[in-house]
Amino acid sequence: SYVLTQPPSVSVAPGQTARIACGGDNIGIYSVHWYQQKPGQAPVLVVYDDSARPSGIPERFSGSNSRNTATLTISRVEAGDEADYYCQVWDSRSDQGVFGGGTKLTVL
Amino acid sequence: QVQLVESGGGLVKPGGSLRLSCAASGFTFSDYQMSWIRQAPGKGLEWVAYITPSGITIYYADSVKGRFTISRDNAKDSLFLQMNSLRAEDTAVYYCARVGPGTTSNWFDPWGQGTLVTVSS
Repeated sequence: SYVLTQPPSVSVAPGQTARIACGGDNIGIYSVHWYQQKPGQAPVLVVYDDSARPSGIPERFSGSNSRNTATLTISRVEAGDEADYYCQVWDSRSDQGVFGGGTKLTVL
Repeated sequence: QVQLVESGGGLVKPGGSLRLSCAASGFTFSDYQMSWIRQAPGKGLEWVAYITPSGITIYYADSVKGRFTISRDNAKDSLFLQMNSLRAEDTAVYYCARVGPGTTSNWFDPWGQGTLVTVSS
């Protein structure tokens, strides 16, 4: 089955840019989606189809996808961005959803 | 507004069964694909099952295939997950989620608040 790999943690100072990677074999051919999950809450979609933003998500959140790595970029990081972030694809070869292991973003 | 509310979680013994429900409101339920996703305590997200609007096409994660059954009642705007032969490793918060419309890339938005299933003797 398809595997997505994320770093366990990323740390960034307020106002700086955070980049969270999601690795997968030829992930560039998939549409990648990203979710933010704060403690005790359900996940929230922040980017879909590699780089599209749902209504209500700040422009500070952006995404890209190429070859073997997709990236969620959070510009001008705020304390409220501290959360776990998950990447996800739909593997049409197996007809299954696949999530990365998640990355904990710490705002220093 | 769009809302998904899960119910039916609880404590069950290994080998037992449980049926989860998800009540949808704020959108035309019968137009949307739906999914169940779970999260074991302190762990990441795991996709569990998917169903098309008609209920004709269904997919499962390998870890639950043959034990779990996803279904829906469009007349009652409800999604279900029948869980049989439960194991300790099925212990998790179970979320229902709407699948992104008109797409095969299948993102999940929004999610319900989740219901906790604990499998323990």
